[in-house]
Amino acid sequence: DAKTTQPPSMDCAEGRAANLPCNHSTISGNEYVYWYRQIHSQGPQYIIHGLKNNETNEMASLIITEDRKSSTLILPHATLRDTAVYYCIVRVGYGGSQGNLIFGKGTKLSVKP
Amino acid sequence: GAVVSQHPSRVICKSGTSVKIECRSLDFQATTMFWYRQFPKQSLMLMATSNEGSKATYEQGVEKDKFLINHASLTLSTLTVTSAHPEDSSFYICSAGQGPHTIYFGEGSWLTVV
Repeated sequence: DAKTTQPPSMDCAEGRAANLPCNHSTISGNEYVYWYRQIHSQGPQYIIHGLKNNETNEMASLIITEDRKSSTLILPHATLRDTAVYYCIVRVGYGGSQGNLIFGKGTKLSVKP
Repeated sequence: GAVVSQHPSRVICKSGTSVKIECRSLDFQATTMFWYRQFPKQSLMLMATSNEGSKATYEQGVEKDKFLINHASLTLSTLTVTSAHPEDSSFYICSAGQGPHTIYFGEGSWLTVV
């Protein structure tokens, strides 16, 4: 699985967009970009994933650069409940038996009033 | 609602005793589940892969005789910490996959060994 690099921490004002970057310069053609987050003392939560195209769901948007070497997770209107550690994970798509995820240190996002 | 559930959410046990943590997939069958451990202010570390009907696969450095994993049905995996010691105190999390891109995690179980 390709290595990812994320800033250790970021702050964001409540109601503003939170843009969380992730570098994955060694990503392979068949590897996806996944984002998870972990709110304190809870299990991680799936947010979004993508291969090449930008993706959007009810939680966030994922912007992947054309060369796929980096991506940005966007929370359009951050709330205090979005305060969490955000993990960017790059790997091939998985079936149930391949669902072991390797977590880096992630980015601790603090949303402030 | 949660699709992977863990029980108990918190447990305190005495040093030298064993404690069991359950992980259930609620709305789907999971032939494979995964167990992670997380120490305070650290990231999740994969401990083992739980395989329904066969032996678990442990990551390097994880003692299989200390962390017993049983996956007796398609919706239940259990992790038993045997002869627990204070250094085993941690946050234990399980996960299971559904489909090609979605992994669900349990709520986690806090273990404190006193």
